[in-house]
Amino acid sequence: SAVISQKPSRDICQRGTSLTIQCQVDSQVTMMFWYRQQPGQSLTLIATANQGSEATYESGFVIDKFPISRPNLTFSTLTVSNMSPEDSSIYLCSAPGQTNTGELFFGEGSRLTVL
Amino acid sequence: AQTVTQSQPEMSVQEAETVTLSCTYDTSESDYYLFWYKQPPSRQMILVIRQEAYKQQNATENRFSVNFQKAAKSFSLKISDSQLGDAAMYFCAYRPWGYGGSQGNLIFGKGTKLSVKP
Repeated sequence: SAVISQKPSRDICQRGTSLTIQCQVDSQVTMMFWYRQQPGQSLTLIATANQGSEATYESGFVIDKFPISRPNLTFSTLTVSNMSPEDSSIYLCSAPGQTNTGELFFGEGSRLTVL
Repeated sequence: AQTVTQSQPEMSVQEAETVTLSCTYDTSESDYYLFWYKQPPSRQMILVIRQEAYKQQNATENRFSVNFQKAAKSFSLKISDSQLGDAAMYFCAYRPWGYGGSQGNLIFGKGTKLSVKP
């Protein structure tokens, strides 16, 4: 398994500001994934973060809006830039386990509310 | 592109009874993983059960079991002896077998909200 810690757990932000979410994994992993879960919706992949290379973004998500860092094999950050109320969501970090049995493990999520 | 469909937005079950949640998926791949995740109000995504597509035997985890029909691309979850703590959103998810770039991510269905009545 993998233990994933995310912070902040929740935050209330003002329109136009930026917030950085941190994700720490208790083991070294090649890929980390960032998901967005809008209110009452399912999870949508924002990007895949590989250590030592640029993140790979899904359609509809751009680096200027969601810059990602991946400085080492256990840590990643996602920044939500120039926030608007439409960015109010839960943002979840995930990573595979050490045994490579296919599943992804998730952090507790960061609930952002943009006023 | 792969898709996952959960046709039941909400389901309800009496405590101690059995309930089945439906999931269908679409893929042209022959090897892949399927999962059921549970998300209680706490937001934490919890893995309930995993199925590798190459395995014909249905996966079971205590009170949770699946009915995996590969030809029909169906993957239902059965919860036996339902408990109040089973109340949550349940997401069916697909993951390609190989790793590399965004192919390694999970593709989720829209979820089924399960209520358990005492």
